Amino acid sequence: QVQLVESGGGVVQPGGSLRLSCDTSGFTFSTSGMHWVRQAPGKGLEWVAFIRYDGSYKHYADSMEGRFTVSRDNSRNKLFLQLRSLRAEDTAVFYCAKGEILRFIESWGQGTLVIVSS
Amino acid sequence: YVLTQPPSVSVAPGKTARITCGGDNVATQRVHWYQQKAGQAPVLLIYDDSDSASGISERFSGSSSENTATLAIRRVEAGDEATYFCQVWDSSSIHVIFGGGTKLTVL
Repeated sequence: QVQLVESGGGVVQPGGSLRLSCDTSGFTFSTSGMHWVRQAPGKGLEWVAFIRYDGSYKHYADSMEGRFTVSRDNSRNKLFLQLRSLRAEDTAVFYCAKGEILRFIESWGQGTLVIVSS
Repeated sequence: YVLTQPPSVSVAPGKTARITCGGDNVATQRVHWYQQKAGQAPVLLIYDDSDSASGISERFSGSSSENTATLAIRRVEAGDEATYFCQVWDSSSIHVIFGGGTKLTVL
């Protein structure tokens, strides 16, 4: 079955950077679109970014474009999210998720928590 | 594009809960529904307005009409307590849009 395991979260100071990873298994990663979605403590879901199966197309939520970068390594079945210029309001659980553009999100990881605090 | 959900819905066990998701001409969109239990990741329940995801109980169903999509949960059980989110793709911005979520309480 589909497995998505995020890592790389932690505590970072405002203005800092962090790189999140998502290890995938149970499906053909190299032919699958992928998302990052975040959820601030006690809040709703907020879409972050989408990347096409081959990495040729990437799309971001307006508030994150320019600060966050999504990428993938199909040879290692891994998805990444580079976070830069982090702010307190970026504190959230970040989920890796499987889904195609203009379709539903079919599988979610358990998430990794990012805390931005001095 | 904005999806509006009621913050909370309460229902007695065995009854039917209906959770709405309002949006401009939402019936022209494909609406998807997710369930998130406390401390867990979301799970896909319903996709494309009314199709059930694999392994999901037939008690869950979806529909959409004009400006409102609805998730119905029949014969509600205590284990259905969760927050439910609707989702569409905004075709103009190509962004994923989530509703604010509805917390279902089983009385």
